[in-house]
Amino acid sequence: AQSVTQLDSQVPVFEEAPVELRCNYSSSVSVYLFWYVQYPNQGLQLLLKYLSGSTLVKGINGFEAEFNKSQTSFHLRKPSVHISDTAEYFCAVSARGGATNKLIFGTGTLLAVQP
Amino acid sequence: EAGVVQSPRYKIIEKKQPVAFWCNPISGHNTLYWYLQNLGQGPELLIRYENEEAVDDSQLPKDRFSAERLKGVDSTLKIQPAELGDSAVYLCASSQGGGRTGELFFGEGSRLTVL
Repeated sequence: AQSVTQLDSQVPVFEEAPVELRCNYSSSVSVYLFWYVQYPNQGLQLLLKYLSGSTLVKGINGFEAEFNKSQTSFHLRKPSVHISDTAEYFCAVSARGGATNKLIFGTGTLLAVQP
Repeated sequence: EAGVVQSPRYKIIEKKQPVAFWCNPISGHNTLYWYLQNLGQGPELLIRYENEEAVDDSQLPKDRFSAERLKGVDSTLKIQPAELGDSAVYLCASSQGGGRTGELFFGEGSRLTVL
C-alpha cells in the first residue's frame, strides 16, 4: 500500500518570494507521483506528474518538482509566487503497474500568498 | 471541450433524508471516479468504474451509499439515509484508458451539508 505525507498544512509566503511545499511518500513498489492544485470552490487540476525519466519535472504556472527516490520525496517549488497561486495543493501517489490509477492523496497544503 | 459536470453544486438536507449527486464525465473517458473530500483532507476514493463496471468499490459504505453508471456514461451517487457525518464535498472525476498516467479530470464537486 502507498501513503503520502504533507507535513505542512499551511504555508504563508509573501508575493514574489520563493516557496517549497513538501511531500514524502511511502511505498513498497515503484510509484508515479503527482501534484494537484485546488482553487477555492473548484475541482482539482493536475499541476505536474513524474512517471519516469528526468527527476526534475516542470508543470504549469511555473511550478516544478523533483523526485528524490532515496529520500522518498517529491517537493514542489516555485521561484516567485503570485497572489493567484493561493490555493490548496495536494500531493498524490499511485503504484507503478499496480491497480492502474488508484491515486492516494495527501491531506493538502494551503499556500497563502500575501501582498 | 466540456469538462466534468456535476450537479447539484450545493445541497442542504436534514439527516435521514435521501440525496443524489449526478456526474457527466468528459466525452470518451471510460473511467469514472467518485471521491469524498472532508474538510481539510485530501480526496478519498469511494468507487471507480471502468465503463459500466464498478471495479473498485471497497471504500463505499454500502449500507447507505449506492452508485450506478448507466450505459457507461453518466453516473449517480446516492446516500440514503444521510447522516451528519456525510457532510463533505463529493467529487467526480474521469480519465481516459484507465488513467494509468494519473491525469484525472475533476468536476467542481457537490458540497453536501446535513443538518
